[in-house]
Amino acid sequence: EAGVAQSPRYKIIEKRQSVAFWCNPISGHATLYWYQQILGQGPKLLIQFQNNGVVDDSQLPKDRFSAERLKGVDSTLKIQPAKLEDSAVYLCASSLRQGRNTEAFFGQGTRLTVV
Amino acid sequence: GENVEQHPSTLSVQEGDSAVIKCTYSDSASNYFPWYKQELGKRPQLIIDIRSNVGEKKDQRIAVTLNKTAKHFSLHITETQPEDSAVYFCAATAYSSASKIIFGSGTRLSIRP
Repeated sequence: EAGVAQSPRYKIIEKRQSVAFWCNPISGHATLYWYQQILGQGPKLLIQFQNNGVVDDSQLPKDRFSAERLKGVDSTLKIQPAKLEDSAVYLCASSLRQGRNTEAFFGQGTRLTVV
Repeated sequence: GENVEQHPSTLSVQEGDSAVIKCTYSDSASNYFPWYKQELGKRPQLIIDIRSNVGEKKDQRIAVTLNKTAKHFSLHITETQPEDSAVYFCAATAYSSASKIIFGSGTRLSIRP
């Protein structure tokens, strides 16, 4: 079974620049999550999609972060403009659906460094 | 909002000894509690989970216990081995249509040879 695919694996940008991350979930998984994991901390949920609709984005800094999941499959997460404190690993995860089978499968993540 | 607290943040045990990691959750609607293991530079991977209709679940050297009244759940690793060294995250979520998976802050487990 193919896993959750993310790209790029690494990205270094200067502050105030823009960056975008891409995620392709496991085929058939309706729920998609974006997490931010700062070094030494647990994953923090940024946004959760059910198909192409947003379920929760309460922790997403909407002044600079945006995400979309067109057609309910792939998703992109964008930061514009980036700040130094955005340096983190951005993890995408997917699960079959909300409900009983809520195991989330994670991608390898994108390590973002803002300098 | 929902919160999951995890302790300790670091844990060092002698190889062969047991390790226990504890979590508490705030959302009484939570009824599914997965545990993830994250090795250095790798993605978190599910190692065991427990649902609210049971109090304990065991899988070889790993066991989880759940106390719904106290909103506590714990991970127990027996006969620890070097390959158990990693960061472990607990999480809590509910079966509802708007459920979120909320993670604890993680425990860095080191196994001393």
